[in-house]
Amino acid sequence: DAMVIQNPRYQVTQFGKPVTLSCSQTLNHNVMYWYQQKSSQAPKLLFHYYDKDFNNEADTPDNFQSRRPNTSFCFLDIRSPGLGDAAMYLCATSGYDSNQPQHFGDGTRLSIL
Amino acid sequence: RKEVEQDPGPFNVPEGATVAFNCTYSNSASQSFFWYRQDCRKEPKLLMSVYSSGNEDGRFTAQLNRASQYISLLIRDSKLSDSATYLCVVNTDSGGGADGLTFGKGTHLIIQP
Repeated sequence: DAMVIQNPRYQVTQFGKPVTLSCSQTLNHNVMYWYQQKSSQAPKLLFHYYDKDFNNEADTPDNFQSRRPNTSFCFLDIRSPGLGDAAMYLCATSGYDSNQPQHFGDGTRLSIL
Repeated sequence: RKEVEQDPGPFNVPEGATVAFNCTYSNSASQSFFWYRQDCRKEPKLLMSVYSSGNEDGRFTAQLNRASQYISLLIRDSKLSDSATYLCVVNTDSGGGADGLTFGKGTHLIIQP
């Protein structure tokens, strides 16, 4: 019973070629997040949506964009991937209440050739 | 500055032993606390929330010390399947709700037969 679903699980793209990662959820959560996680590092928040309200972290590169067309779906667009963007990308959801945990998808592992 | 610090380990522990590790956080305004478990190349999964009075879930016990700003996780009767990275997660709600989640880099635990 997957509740936060990310596609694809593995993505390979070429240096500079735009790529889109997708996330969908069946939890009807209002808040959706995108994290980047590199090997042996903590997940790093890129941005999140409160409903349709987009919140960008100050240090998220302009190369990273996001779209949330409806409650269930959220996309991460990387306009011109560089070698340093190779990482696991994690989507998570939560309700408004900050005392509730976040629920993560399986992640998309992005490789850059 | 938001910081969550953990001993990265690895902690090598024989099966059946008890193991404990701590996590410290720097922001005294932090309001909610969680332990997540992350297996190699998988997504983080919620292990347990941490409550002010301390809480237990089977073999796992979590404690919070607000005065000293640390959280602990105790695992009793450790199993081989407990081998994973344990992420300490702190939510600093700045009034905007569930957006202040900060992850530690994780403590790597290896249970040896």
